[in-house]
Amino acid sequence: GNSVTQMEGPVTLSEEAFLTINCTYTATGYPSLFWYVQYPGEGLQLLLKATKADDKGSNKGFEATYRKETTSFHLEKGSVQVSDSAVYFCALSDPGDKIIFGKGTRLHILP
Amino acid sequence: SAVISQKPSRDICQRGTSLTIQCQVDSQVTMMFWYRQQPGQSLTLIATANQGSEATYESGFVIDKFPISRPNLTFSTLTVSNMSPEDSSIYLCSVMGQGVDTQYFGPGTRLTVL
Repeated sequence: GNSVTQMEGPVTLSEEAFLTINCTYTATGYPSLFWYVQYPGEGLQLLLKATKADDKGSNKGFEATYRKETTSFHLEKGSVQVSDSAVYFCALSDPGDKIIFGKGTRLHILP
Repeated sequence: SAVISQKPSRDICQRGTSLTIQCQVDSQVTMMFWYRQQPGQSLTLIATANQGSEATYESGFVIDKFPISRPNLTFSTLTVSNMSPEDSSIYLCSVMGQGVDTQYFGPGTRLTVL
C-alpha cells in the first residue's frame, strides 16, 4: 500500500538558515503530494502541493518538487524565520481517496 | 478552499462521560473525515463520515466508542463515549470536495479527560 516516510525531528536551526526536510513515498499509482503545517495550538494548514512528476509546489518561501525517479518530495526554504517554528507533515493521496500522512517533523527556529 | 469550524475548541471532561464535537463547513463537500492526534503524534484516521449512511471506521475504532452523524453535506458530529484519560487528544475534522485531491482541516478540538 501507499506510505510516506519523513525525517524525524526535532530539527533545530538558527534564523536565516537553509531548511531541508526530507520526505519519500511509496505508491502504486500517481498520487498527489502535499506538505501540511501545524503551528502550535492550531489545526493543519495546507502549505503546498504538487499533482504530477516534476511539478514544484511553493508557498510562503517554501518549495518542494515532485521527483518520481527518487520518489521524493523534500521541503526546502532558503531562509527560515522564528515564525516558521511548527510541525510539518508530508502526505500523499490518490485522486478521490483519503490522505496518508507521514509522522511529522517538528521544526524549532532560534532567534 | 473550504472554511471549517469546530465546536468546542477545547474541553476538560470527567472519566466516564461523553462529549460530542461538531464540524461545520461553509460549502457542500463530498467527503468528511474525523482524525485523532495524540500528544506529539501524527494524525490517525478514525472514520469517514458518510451522508445518509453509517460511517466507515478504520481498524481499531468502533461505532460504540465513536458514534458519528452526518445529516447533510455541510455538517457532522463525532461523539467520544465513556471517556478515559487515554482519549485525551486533539480531534480534527477534515473535508474533501468531489473530484478534488486536497483535504482541508478544521482547527481541532483539544480534549482533556481527567
